[in-house]
Amino acid sequence: AAGVIQSPRHLIKEKRETATLKCYPIPRHDTVYWYQQGPGQDPQFLISFYEKMQSDKGSIPDRFSAQQFSDYHSELNMSSLELGDSALYFCASSLGRGGRYGYTFGSGTRLTVV
Amino acid sequence: DQQVKQNSPSLSVQEGRISILNCDYTNSMFDYFLWYKKYPAEGPTFLISISSIKDKNEDGRFTVFLNKSAKHLSLHIVPSQPGDSAVYFCAPRQNRRGTYKYIFGTGTRLKVLA
Repeated sequence: AAGVIQSPRHLIKEKRETATLKCYPIPRHDTVYWYQQGPGQDPQFLISFYEKMQSDKGSIPDRFSAQQFSDYHSELNMSSLELGDSALYFCASSLGRGGRYGYTFGSGTRLTVV
Repeated sequence: DQQVKQNSPSLSVQEGRISILNCDYTNSMFDYFLWYKKYPAEGPTFLISISSIKDKNEDGRFTVFLNKSAKHLSLHIVPSQPGDSAVYFCAPRQNRRGTYKYIFGTGTRLKVLA
């Protein structure tokens, strides 16, 4: 069965650069969530989209933006990268707003800012 | 304000014995509770869940117990196997007028010793 696909798996950027992370949800899933997990920390919710509209916002910095496209894939754009942005970024998807029975997560993108 | 706490960051158990992972929460409005399992460099995967109207749910070697009055749930794995070594996240669901959001705990790293 198709899972949530995230690309790239690994990304190394320098401070002040920009990065774009992509997420392809499970087919027919209409909701996408982004989480950030720093070293030794629990996953922190960043933002979610339902039917291409932002549905919820968490601790996403102003330097980050995201959107969901007509094919339901989502991109997380990160600008003016800081060392503290180094983390594992997970995308998850669900069918229906909020995911009644949980989310399906991708394998994550590991971003390293040097 | 941390709504979900997993007070044991790590746990080591001998193969064949019982593993007990605990989770405490503060929000009495959580109506559904999930456990996720996460291997290194992979996204969390759904393991087992329990509705707030139940106090026990069993699936093979995995059993989740819910004590609503104590706002406490626990995951029991018996018998524990080396392949169970992973990080386990408790994720209660917040339900606001049909929009669901999961709050992740800090995780417990389980190591099952052969």
